[in-house]
Amino acid sequence: GNSVTQMEGPVTLSEEAFLTINCTYTATGYPSLFWYVQYPGEGLQLLLKATKADDKGSNKGFEATYRKETTSFHLEKGSVQVSDSAVYFCALREYSSASKIIFGSGTRLSIRP
Amino acid sequence: EAGVTQFPSHSVIEKGQTVTLRCDPISGHDNLYWYRRVMGKEIKFLLHFVKESKQDESGMPNNRFLAERTGGTYSTLKVQPAELEDSGVYFCASSQPGLAGGADTQYFGPGTRLTVL
Repeated sequence: GNSVTQMEGPVTLSEEAFLTINCTYTATGYPSLFWYVQYPGEGLQLLLKATKADDKGSNKGFEATYRKETTSFHLEKGSVQVSDSAVYFCALREYSSASKIIFGSGTRLSIRP
Repeated sequence: EAGVTQFPSHSVIEKGQTVTLRCDPISGHDNLYWYRRVMGKEIKFLLHFVKESKQDESGMPNNRFLAERTGGTYSTLKVQPAELEDSGVYFCASSQPGLAGGADTQYFGPGTRLTVL
């Protein structure tokens, strides 16, 4: 079945460091891909999305490119801030069902000042 | 515009008791979803309502879980009787119908943290 695999955390970085959180997926057809973020004490928020191959989603300095050839959707940010500390979830939505979202296990990111 | 709200934010119950979680979707959103995250693992889909009808309940773990959405507005998720393995965070999400009838971006609530002792 369809699935999402993302790098395990926790990930701890210093402020202004470069961030990469790896995500790969297994899916039939052409899923839409997402990164969700959960800040401490808050709900899940959509960070960015991409709906077809080679699309780049971006928001708040974060970027991820839909790579069909490598079935990947890695999250990157050039210079992280303390306020980026959160749990990040990679996810896909099956095109055929267009309903349920399949999530990865989440990566906890902590940024040191 | 108000987002998805969930009540309660936390619930602590003993094994064998009953708990009812409530979700109020964004006004006008026909699609309502329940998910849960158990023991820090991945967030898993439970079920999907379109208005008051269950569109997909393939993720419901067993018959101790009952979800309803009377009138197509808010939804409740009842766990009866609760077991230890039901502990986790229960998320609700809602969305408008997308193009060609597909579901659009899902907006999530803050979740209800359920602890079964």
